[in-house]
Amino acid sequence: DTGVSQNPRHKITKRGQNVTFRCDPISEHNRLYWYRQTLGQGPEFLTYFQNEAQLEKSRLLSDRFSAERPKGSFSTLEIQRTEQGDSAMYLCASSFGQFLYGYTFGSGTRLTVV
Amino acid sequence: AQSVTQPDIHITVSEGASLELRCNYSYGATPYLFWYVQSPGQGLQLLLKYFSGDTLVQGIKGFEAEFKRSQSSFNLRKPSVHWSDAAEYFCAVGARGSTLGRLYFGRGTQLTVWP
Repeated sequence: DTGVSQNPRHKITKRGQNVTFRCDPISEHNRLYWYRQTLGQGPEFLTYFQNEAQLEKSRLLSDRFSAERPKGSFSTLEIQRTEQGDSAMYLCASSFGQFLYGYTFGSGTRLTVV
Repeated sequence: AQSVTQPDIHITVSEGASLELRCNYSYGATPYLFWYVQSPGQGLQLLLKYFSGDTLVQGIKGFEAEFKRSQSSFNLRKPSVHWSDAAEYFCAVGARGSTLGRLYFGRGTQLTVWP
């Protein structure tokens, strides 16, 4: 098992463009989380999937953001009409069950909007 | 609502010196408590966690943390720091009884280690 994989590692995009990130969790993990981390801050929760169901979304997740997890496997996070304020590290994490085993985080996708 | 405070933004220690990173939380009951470490350009790695029982928990890489209910604190310690410990450290809490498993993170403490 290679852990949680995120692609791409880095993305530079022009303001107004759409971007999509992918997360491949650990295969036996049924829970998948997206977090956003801006410079000098800790990760902030965006959304959570249990299997294919999206069970919670943060208020940080505006209508320009959408996340999917088809078939309960990999997940995608799409940002439409990107803004400079979207520049951040987007982290994906997966877990089996709740907190008992902790999360396993991916290395993140660094988004820069110019 | 849960919140986590890490009062020290940046700490510098000499290699071989002891280390303590502070974490205070705000929550109505005892939450689940975690410490994560993040190296530059990397994701977060779990160092240790506290759920219940012994208030002194041992983690990986020689780290330990002590839960103090009266102070709402969960400070991270290491008796002798190595240069490879230089990284950013995050304290996080999870709501006990939550079915969602959402974590709330502090803003982090950047650790610099002098040779």
